[in-house]
Formats: sequence, C-alpha cells, structure tokens
Amino acid sequence: DAMVIQNPRYQVTQFGKPVTLSCSQTLNHNVMYWYQQKSSQAPKLLFHYYDKDFNNEADTPDNFQSRRPNTSFCFLDIRSPGLGDAAMYLCATSRENLGGGSDTQYFGPGTRLTVL
Amino acid sequence: GQNIDQPTEMTATEGAIVQINCTYQTSGFNGLFWYQQHAGEAPTFLSYNVLDGLEEKGRFSSFLSRSKGYSYLLLKELQMKDSASYLCAVGAYGGATNKLIFGTGTLLAVQP
Repeated sequence: DAMVIQNPRYQVTQFGKPVTLSCSQTLNHNVMYWYQQKSSQAPKLLFHYYDKDFNNEADTPDNFQSRRPNTSFCFLDIRSPGLGDAAMYLCATSRENLGGGSDTQYFGPGTRLTVL
Repeated sequence: GQNIDQPTEMTATEGAIVQINCTYQTSGFNGLFWYQQHAGEAPTFLSYNVLDGLEEKGRFSSFLSRSKGYSYLLLKELQMKDSASYLCAVGAYGGATNKLIFGTGTLLAVQP
C-alpha cells in the first residue's frame, strides 16, 4: 500500500543533543511537509518542500532544519533541542493540484519527541 | 490574518447524530478539509469541500458556505470508535504551493 512512513515513532533525546527525524513516502508526491503538534494544539507547519524547493515558515526557529535528498525522503533536523521542542512531529505529503483547489495532505503516523 | 474557530469539546451518545461547526477567516481560500485524529495518532483525511454545499461520504457529511466562512462536519449513527479530535483545516495559497491552516480541533466523546 502507498503510504507515508516516519521513523522512529518515539524518540528520546537530551537537552541540546542534535536529533534527526525521518519521513519517507511511496505516494510519489512532489510536496512534503513537516508539522509540529503539541498536546491539545493544532498542527503547526514548520516548512515544506515543493520538489526540491524549500519553503520555510516565517516563525519557524532556526533550530529546525530540513533536508530532502530525493522525492521519497525528507528529514527534520533539530540542532539543539530544548524542553519546549517536545512534541509530536508529523510529516505529510500531497500532490500539487495544478488545476486549482487544494490537494489532500496525507499524514504519517508521527514521531513523538521527548527531551530530557 | 488567518483564524479558524471550532468548539473545544463535544459529547454525544452512541447511535446519535452530531454536528461540529467551524468558522474561518482567511485570505487566499482554497478549500476546507476535515481530519480525524485519535489520541497519539496522525490526522486522517475525512472530507474536502471547495464549492458551497454538502458532500456526503457514508456516515460522514461536510458542508461549506464560502460567503459565511462556515463549515460543519455531520456524523451520523455515532459509534464508540468515533471518539476522537476533529480538525477543521483551511487550504490557503502560500507561496509556491497550498498550505493548510488547522484549527485546534474539537474533541468528541461518544458515550454509550
């Protein structure tokens, strides 16, 4: 089945220790997104890739970086995690709808990050 | 600016019907989505409306009025497994592609 996969599902890191979260997709979608979701809050878009073009949200801290080496994979790097970065990190993909309207975003299962 | 409002919590009875409302103010509107999210899991797509009117999909229906900035999700024949958070999300033009702006979600508790 075509899907969005995130690894690991649970990640524990120490304050200030860099961590990388990964996302892969078999949907062959050209757009990939990273969201941060804290408890009882809405998913917050951090950035997205349209093919190889990186689009950062204005309020995303510099501590968060992303890489997309190919169509299938996208990584979220947190350079120096703080306690406030503990959250669920969701990866999503979509096929850009050139005909107008928004195309559906499909989410991976998420990675729950704990910062000690 | 972007603003999406939906009730924080709702309670309903198994077998009943429940309507979850969503109002929005946004620029560059490009469709409205409803997602279901169980605790600790990723959001899953339920419905999409870009034109005014009702979209029906099994037990779930979604309605949109663009002039009023209003949508609702209707769940019929409620089941216990429908207990989840329901996220209203507005598609908006955002640079090179479309982005989703999410509401904070409505936590629905289905009781026996």
